[in-house]
Amino acid sequence: EAGVTQFPSHSVIEKGQTVTLRCDPISGHDNLYWYRRVMGKEIKFLLHFVKESKQDESGMPNNRFLAERTGGTYSTLKVQPAELEDSGVYFCASAGVLRTGELFFGEGSRLTVL
Amino acid sequence: GESVGLHLPTLSVQEGDNSIINCAYSNSASDYFIWYKQESGKGPQFIIDIRSNMDKRQGQRVTVLLNKTVKHLSLQIAATQPGDSAVYFCAENIRSGGGADGLTFGKGTHLIIQP
Repeated sequence: EAGVTQFPSHSVIEKGQTVTLRCDPISGHDNLYWYRRVMGKEIKFLLHFVKESKQDESGMPNNRFLAERTGGTYSTLKVQPAELEDSGVYFCASAGVLRTGELFFGEGSRLTVL
Repeated sequence: GESVGLHLPTLSVQEGDNSIINCAYSNSASDYFIWYKQESGKGPQFIIDIRSNMDKRQGQRVTVLLNKTVKHLSLQIAATQPGDSAVYFCAENIRSGGGADGLTFGKGTHLIIQP
């Protein structure tokens, strides 16, 4: 069974540009999360989808971030326009049922904003 | 301040020794705790969890201890191996019922295994 896949693995852009990150969850997982880890800091929650609906987007930093999950399958996270402080590793995780805290994480997309 | 934190950012141990990674939390209402392991270039991976009605839970070579009195969580790894080198994150669930919703992660402890 394929795990959670993320693309790109690394993106380097200039301040003001746009970047779109993609996440393909494990097939059949209704729950999809986006997290972010800024260098040396904690992994911070961004948002949670249940199928195509945003269950919780309280962690989204500001309106420069837009997440979508059309059709309830893969998800995209767009940052527009990117700022220096957006640099970090963006993790996607998926889960079937939520009885436990076991999330299946992808390898992350490292974003570097210059 | 942070709800979940760490006592040490880096821990270096000799191969074969036992490792103890500590984590403090400040939300006394948290009732579910998890440890994740992140190896270099990979995403975090679930190791073990514990609910607040327990004070100890064992897995394969790992033990999680929970001290609710002082709001402290620890992960013990027995007979540390090179493959244990990773960043270890503790996470708490700040919402009732446990589960993956409402997880708050700490900064992580980098465990380094010396030969």
